[in-house]
Amino acid sequence: GAGVSQSPSNKVTEKGKDVELRCDPISGHTALYWYRQSLGQGLEFLIYFQGNSAPDKSGLPSDRFSAERTGGSVSTLTIQRTQQEDSAVYLCASRPGTSGALGEQYFGPGTRLTVT
Amino acid sequence: EDQVTQSPEALRLQEGESSSLNCSYTVSGLRGLFWYRQDPGKGPEFLFTLYSAGEEKEKERLKATLTKKESFLHITAPKPEDSATYLCAVRPWEGAQKLVFGQGTRLTINP
Repeated sequence: GAGVSQSPSNKVTEKGKDVELRCDPISGHTALYWYRQSLGQGLEFLIYFQGNSAPDKSGLPSDRFSAERTGGSVSTLTIQRTQQEDSAVYLCASRPGTSGALGEQYFGPGTRLTVT
Repeated sequence: EDQVTQSPEALRLQEGESSSLNCSYTVSGLRGLFWYRQDPGKGPEFLFTLYSAGEEKEKERLKATLTKKESFLHITAPKPEDSATYLCAVRPWEGAQKLVFGQGTRLTINP
């Protein structure tokens, strides 16, 4: 079946502009994660959605970052007033739910964001 | 503070030359350690889950092991297609819903 998809694959934006990144998880997966990966770094947790529960936003680096998940499926990560330090690859992952190992996540290919 | 450190940062091997990658962790109560493979331009791909010291998992030329303080990813007789970045992550405590990742080891296998 289809894996996790993300769009766009690449985004170049000017400093100060807003951007929206989209994630389509695997159908039926109730858990969805957003991560950020800077050059040569490990993955940095941003936000976690599980079903209809309130999201865990503890990893969002500033109030310029927000995310929503509509209908328990598609998620959008929004970065307002982008800064150069926001340049990174943004990865989305999903997993079936609360059962199974937390780390058995299925990742999308990522969106490479470049802020000029 | 929960922390995961991987070493070396980069490793170059000749085809067939076996070696090991290290993942050491400092967490309040390990509830799972996970290994991933990441190819350039792609998201990580899940490889293994380890829960308790002494546990081992194998897949083709890869074997992951776990002690109370670290995990090793052993690669036996590697091939060029094993070239990738290998990431380690931990679930740091019971009930944690997010992982702590290491920075990865970039492995290159020369033919």
